[in-house]
Amino acid sequence: QSALTQPASVSGSPGQSITISCTGTSSDVGGYNFVSWYQQHPGKAPKLIIYDVNHRPSGVSDRFSGSKSDNTASLTISGLQAEDEADYYCNSYTSSSTLVVFGGGTHLTVL
Amino acid sequence: QVQLVESGGGVVQPGGSLRLSCAASGFTFSTSGMHWVRQAPGKGLEWVAFIRYDGSNEYYADSVKGRFTLSRDNSKNTLYLQMNSLSAEDTAQYYCAKQRSSLPTFDYWGQGTLVTVSS
Repeated sequence: QSALTQPASVSGSPGQSITISCTGTSSDVGGYNFVSWYQQHPGKAPKLIIYDVNHRPSGVSDRFSGSKSDNTASLTISGLQAEDEADYYCNSYTSSSTLVVFGGGTHLTVL
Repeated sequence: QVQLVESGGGVVQPGGSLRLSCAASGFTFSTSGMHWVRQAPGKGLEWVAFIRYDGSNEYYADSVKGRFTLSRDNSKNTLYLQMNSLSAEDTAQYYCAKQRSSLPTFDYWGQGTLVTVSS
């Protein structure tokens, strides 16, 4: 069982917006602004798309945005495109000895 | 450009050992924290271990603590993961990843090396 909880799957039509949640505790997501999001296409390495809750690395589309409220972080993808179909993972710093925890991942289907 | 190239994966029997390497280029390796993250077939990402830029401290997931040892050679721009007492649960694609700024931010990843533990 993953330390952070994500929905197993979400779906949306091209042009729509979707939001993926990532729920933790006050020891991780809720306690620090150190949440990142990664996109992974089949057979590929993960790619960083959001860091420190709501910052986008250079080169990442502004259709991707992040936010956080209490113990839940969220990734929003607006203007869905076919190429957005992938698995999405959140992670967070944690004050436990583990240091870093991942969510279980969410598969996004673009209908 | 930043490159991380993992090697050393393969098939090993339960109880066996394996040493993974990650060759880094395109950035200042000696000032970057480095991590290993693994992904079992068809499963999600699992953080494995972290080593500070100067090798002064390492941290491990509970699932590998006492069995895996992370080290680095900054003169060779190379990261190592020594894996002992391997079990089927360690079967996974192993990725090395460069830390960007905050601890859970991995801005560059290698393509991974597959470790299969099987008799």
